[in-house]
Amino acid sequence: AQKVTQAQTEISVVEKEDVTLDCVYETRDTTYYLFWYKQPPSGELVFLIRRNSFDEQNEISGRYSWNFQKSTSSFNFTITASQVVDSAVYFCALQLRVTGNQFYFGTGTSLTVIP
Amino acid sequence: NAGVTQTPKFRILKIGQSMTLQCTQDMNHNYMYWYRQDPGMGLKLIYYSVGAGITDKGEVPNGYNVSRSTTEDFPLRLELAAPSQTSVYFCASSSAGGSKTDTQYFGPGTRLTVL
Repeated sequence: AQKVTQAQTEISVVEKEDVTLDCVYETRDTTYYLFWYKQPPSGELVFLIRRNSFDEQNEISGRYSWNFQKSTSSFNFTITASQVVDSAVYFCALQLRVTGNQFYFGTGTSLTVIP
Repeated sequence: NAGVTQTPKFRILKIGQSMTLQCTQDMNHNYMYWYRQDPGMGLKLIYYSVGAGITDKGEVPNGYNVSRSTTEDFPLRLELAAPSQTSVYFCASSSAGGSKTDTQYFGPGTRLTVL
């Protein structure tokens, strides 16, 4: 069975602190994609990153970085020097190729950055 | 540059009514998706399409139908609305897929209430 777990339901940090959002996934497939999305209070969805299962290189984009570890089935997301604009719900998702592009989303982590 | 547009933004339906949620993208993307998001939850994939004339079911297709007669349009049809279909519906599109830089773009969402 496929599953994505975001154990942190809500996180609060003070502005400029670093914060890591955890994502653990389950699948028996060897080919899959992992995603992170941001949903600010306005409700729109913003795609942040997509990573395939064969690429374990860590990714950095500005203040955002992602750590993919197949050995622990984790795809964690770190925001460095958090800002108030980072306040949002963040979703991790798993996409399978073998079963025809099925998507499985975590339940999200609500991040509040306090000024 | 419109990106992904969805209409309507809001709709209230009575039980048993039918409606079509419209989705159009102007980026010539092959892949299009319909998701639903229930309160406090992540997204669930309803249907997806990998190109004009090709559609397939996602995780929660029951009660919905789709068609993809053109690259641009991917309408979602609810035939007999039920209260369980009260949700926010997001349409998304992406290019052929497989690339690390492939970005997924979302529409603004349609908030549907079935009473």
